Amino acid sequence: QKEVEQNSGPLSVPEGAIASLNCTYSDRVSQSFFWYRQYSGKSPELIMSIYSNGDKEDGRFTAQLNKASQYVSLLIRDSQPSDSATYLCAVRPPRRSNSGYALNFGKGTSLLVTP
Amino acid sequence: KAGVTQTPRYLIKTRGQQVTLSCSPISGHRSVSWYQQTPGQGLQFLFEYFSETQRNKGNFPGRFSGRQFSNSRSEMNVSTLELGDSALYLCASSLGPGLASYNEQFFGPGTRLTVL
Repeated sequence: QKEVEQNSGPLSVPEGAIASLNCTYSDRVSQSFFWYRQYSGKSPELIMSIYSNGDKEDGRFTAQLNKASQYVSLLIRDSQPSDSATYLCAVRPPRRSNSGYALNFGKGTSLLVTP
Repeated sequence: KAGVTQTPRYLIKTRGQQVTLSCSPISGHRSVSWYQQTPGQGLQFLFEYFSETQRNKGNFPGRFSGRQFSNSRSEMNVSTLELGDSALYLCASSLGPGLASYNEQFFGPGTRLTVL
């Protein structure tokens, strides 16, 4: 079982709609969760991090975490064509003795916002 | 504050050669992680350095190595290049363990390596 799973998409939403991106993870005791946005030909850009169950809002973005269901999602309100990109979910496994802070990434969901 | 810088941005090498990539983290960040990104495998963790010590290593062959200097700058080296090493190599910078509760990672622009 892959550690972090995302639907590859493409997810197509009309401009102004809410885009909902989902991610599941396998290690139940994972602690930290991140969403990155990656435009074609560019490097990933951190847009949200979440550590506690519930919702975290930042502008048009809301991250939702449900540790019991091992599920993290990203909502983008009032989607714009400039939001068209690949969204990567990253999970930090629990720290173990002398381990570091490596992130496990999903393969990303491609989002297309149509005018 | 300047972001993460990586050099060179593009490289073309032939099989059997070796390559060295460089990363300068955000000022004040002491941890550097390296990732390989390919269309088929996505982003895969290579290794992580903090205080000149490798703290974590991904599942890559020994041809992949790295190091970190006292100023937190890091280099990674790939020896005996193979066609499958063609990828985007990304460096991520973070404050480091014990310096931030959640240690967010910020990526540089990457080095695009093509092996012919």
